[in-house]
Amino acid sequence: DGGITQSPKYLFRKEGQNVTLSCEQNLNHDAMYWYRQDPGQGLRLIYYSQIVNDFQKGDIAEGYSVSREKKESFPLTVTSAQKNPTAFYLCASIAGPNTEAFFGQGTRLTVV
Amino acid sequence: QKEVEQDPGPLSVPEGAIVSLNCTYSNSAFQYFMWYRQYSRKGPELLMYTYSSGNKEDGRFTAQVDKSSKYISLFIRDSQPSDSATYLCAMSKLGDQFYFGTGTSLTVIP
Repeated sequence: DGGITQSPKYLFRKEGQNVTLSCEQNLNHDAMYWYRQDPGQGLRLIYYSQIVNDFQKGDIAEGYSVSREKKESFPLTVTSAQKNPTAFYLCASIAGPNTEAFFGQGTRLTVV
Repeated sequence: QKEVEQDPGPLSVPEGAIVSLNCTYSNSAFQYFMWYRQYSRKGPELLMYTYSSGNKEDGRFTAQVDKSSKYISLFIRDSQPSDSATYLCAMSKLGDQFYFGTGTSLTVIP
């Protein structure tokens, strides 16, 4: 079945550590997105990529980094510079301009 | 002013009721409008996708767009307990990113 797979589902990080969240899609979509979801704040855009080897910062990119070496994969690294990383992270992809976004099942990151 | 405004609720209705969920927006350039349903601890799933003004129906769900008022709605008829979730509106304009509402939490009581 085609879809977007995020892993792991739950992730715990010690303060000062970097962690990488995986996002893989087999929908052959060009564009991929990373969002952060906090209670009462909706989805906030972290980074997005419209094509391989290219990506742009979203509204809250500070403390995060991404890469897009393959069309299928768009991993997100949460660095130690992100001061409040505990959140629910969602990856999405779209087939083309002005089409709907499809989401993965999310990764819940907790700093311990 | 936020691009998209959505009442967070929570909204609680009895089973079988008609539910109305709404979003307003400020950017008249938005052309593409979506509604997503999100169950607790899951990713959002697409319910409805509409382009420009008008109505679109899919089973018990109807999406309505009024571009003149910058207002979109999602109606759920004969609501079921399985409809209990958070509903997110989203919109975009040509070639741009998506803008999401904060979500409305709905509970349908059996």
